[in-house]
Amino acid sequence: AQTVTQSQPEMSVQEAETVTLSCTYDTSESDYYLFWYKQPPSRQMILVIRQEAYKQQNATENRFSVNFQKAAKSFSLKISDSQLGDAAMYFCAYRSLRAGNNRKLIWGLGTSLAVNP
Amino acid sequence: GAGVSQSPSNKVTEKGKDVELRCDPISGHTALYWYRQSLGQGLEFLIYFQGNSAPDKSGLPSDRFSAERTGGSVSTLTIQRTQQEDSAVYLCASSSLSGATDTQYFGPGTRLTVL
Repeated sequence: AQTVTQSQPEMSVQEAETVTLSCTYDTSESDYYLFWYKQPPSRQMILVIRQEAYKQQNATENRFSVNFQKAAKSFSLKISDSQLGDAAMYFCAYRSLRAGNNRKLIWGLGTSLAVNP
Repeated sequence: GAGVSQSPSNKVTEKGKDVELRCDPISGHTALYWYRQSLGQGLEFLIYFQGNSAPDKSGLPSDRFSAERTGGSVSTLTIQRTQQEDSAVYLCASSSLSGATDTQYFGPGTRLTVL
């Protein structure tokens, strides 16, 4: 079974600085998707960025980028120029692409990010 | 267009009572998921609906939990004889399953508190 591990329960960053959140996963599959979701106090889970495992190029979305290391099974999120609105829980998630799989997301326990003014 | 909506936003109930949680997916999305987010335990998958196919109930924790999806749209998650360990945030998500863009979009969740 696949597992996702986020080893940093809490992180903090100064406004305008850069922070990296770690995520590792375990799988025997070769094709899958990886996601980072953000959950602010409003509880709404918001997609931040997505990476297809078959793509070697790291995904980027404005200030958010990932460092995807397939062999190491690592998927870290880098937030550049941190803003106060980035403060939230960040979850890493895995989705199998195996035929017959129900496409459920398998989640890490999250990292709580504080942004200091 | 409108996102995923869930109701109620918060629900407080007494142990032993039944509760119903509702999810309205994004219009046109054929796939619908329920997850439970418990304090300190992350999110766990509960159930998955896809079109007219039989739902995947493999994540339901006990037979007190059930869900249905009427007309391929609105879904209701029912918890019978609630227990204190059922206290959690229940999140619903929907997706279009259209090729590579089958991202799951989430509702704001229902916070269930069982006294």
